[in-house]
Amino acid sequence: DTAVSQTPKYLVTQMGNDKSIKCEQNLGHDTMYWYKQDSKKFLKIMFSYNNKELIINETVPNRFSPKSPDKAHLNLHINSLELGDSAVYFCASSPDGQTYEQYFGPGTRLTVT
Amino acid sequence: GEDVEQSLFLSVREGDSSVINCTYTDSSSTYLYWYKQEPGAGLQLLTYIFSNMDMKQDQRLTVLLNKKDKHLSLRIADTQTGDSAIYFCARGGADGLTFGKGTHLIIQP
Repeated sequence: DTAVSQTPKYLVTQMGNDKSIKCEQNLGHDTMYWYKQDSKKFLKIMFSYNNKELIINETVPNRFSPKSPDKAHLNLHINSLELGDSAVYFCASSPDGQTYEQYFGPGTRLTVT
Repeated sequence: GEDVEQSLFLSVREGDSSVINCTYTDSSSTYLYWYKQEPGAGLQLLTYIFSNMDMKQDQRLTVLLNKKDKHLSLRIADTQTGDSAIYFCARGGADGLTFGKGTHLIIQP
């Protein structure tokens, strides 16, 4: 069984569009995260979220918004896509916000043309 | 400087030991991690160490932590071609993991 899954695996879209990436975890974890990995493989935290608190990395544009319909899902919605948004986006989850032992999804490669 | 720093590349011969080094600046980190990323894949948690430990061994992997110098290393014994990947050092924090830029491990035959 897949622990952390993301859809779609690949996403190609044009500038200005709005898109969403879905993430689901079946581990029963309380905390979920979104990371961005750029073309140089550098990884940066974007958001961390549990049912009580959303922590946003201050460098993330407000065009990006996480949405959590329930504890097992944390979707990433992006408005007005820009060329610089092209990257691989990873979802992750951890048992709680303390141990930080995170399990990653397979990633979604977003290409903005 | 960066919060977590690593060399970008390491080249070793198959069968030798690989030692990947990492330094960090935030001494409040309770947990430090090593993740592996193979080409086109997600991140796999290899191992982690609590800040009150000096060493942790798991089969071919040995993690050494020098808290005074804020230095973390990952030693892979008997390096194999399947170990070829990017290895990320990360520290845990209240807002998630902070990663180094990753070390590309290149295996020479």
